[in-house]
Amino acid sequence: DGGITQSPKYLFRKEGQNVTLSCEQNLNHDAMYWYRQDPGQGLRLIYYSQIVNDFQKGDIAEGYSVSREKKESFPLTVTSAQKNPTAFYLCASKRSELNTEAFFGQGTRLTVV
Amino acid sequence: DAKTTQPNSMESNEEEPVHLPCNHSTISGTDYIHWYRQLPSQGPEYVIHGLTSNVNNRMASLAIAEDRKSSTLILHRATLRDAAVYYCILRGGNAGGTSYGKLTFGQGTILTVHP
Repeated sequence: DGGITQSPKYLFRKEGQNVTLSCEQNLNHDAMYWYRQDPGQGLRLIYYSQIVNDFQKGDIAEGYSVSREKKESFPLTVTSAQKNPTAFYLCASKRSELNTEAFFGQGTRLTVV
Repeated sequence: DAKTTQPNSMESNEEEPVHLPCNHSTISGTDYIHWYRQLPSQGPEYVIHGLTSNVNNRMASLAIAEDRKSSTLILHRATLRDAAVYYCILRGGNAGGTSYGKLTFGQGTILTVHP
């Protein structure tokens, strides 16, 4: 089945460690996005990529890094520089056209202890 | 980026219609209006989108004001499964512009449906 997959669903890390969240899509979408969601809050954009080997900072990029070496994959690394990394992370993909819908993964809940 | 404003929360009774408003007074001519909803502990899902004309699909209807400064998502008969956070977002920008491709969500409206 076509779709967008995030793994793992739950992730625990010790403070000070970098951690990489996986996002894979087989929808042949050019654009991919990473969001962070805190309890009771909306989605905040971390990074987005319109095309392979290119990406832009979103509204809260500090403490995060991404890569887009393949069209299907857009991994997010939460670095030790991120002050409050515990959150729900969502990945999305879509075609580039403005009038097309975004598809979201089921999310990864990261807890840093 | 053009911004949207939605009420923080709304309530409805099951099987009654629900009208979820969204204000976007700074919308530009190329901005599409998209609606998504997010069920608890899940990623958002697409509901509907439009540019100028009203739109209907199997999930909902979208009514767009003539001046496009506001829109309303209409759920014709609310069910308990419609309880979610509803996001109204604008999708636009000029190709090559700094914000082109950016997909930004606001706080959304929490819809509670009572049995």
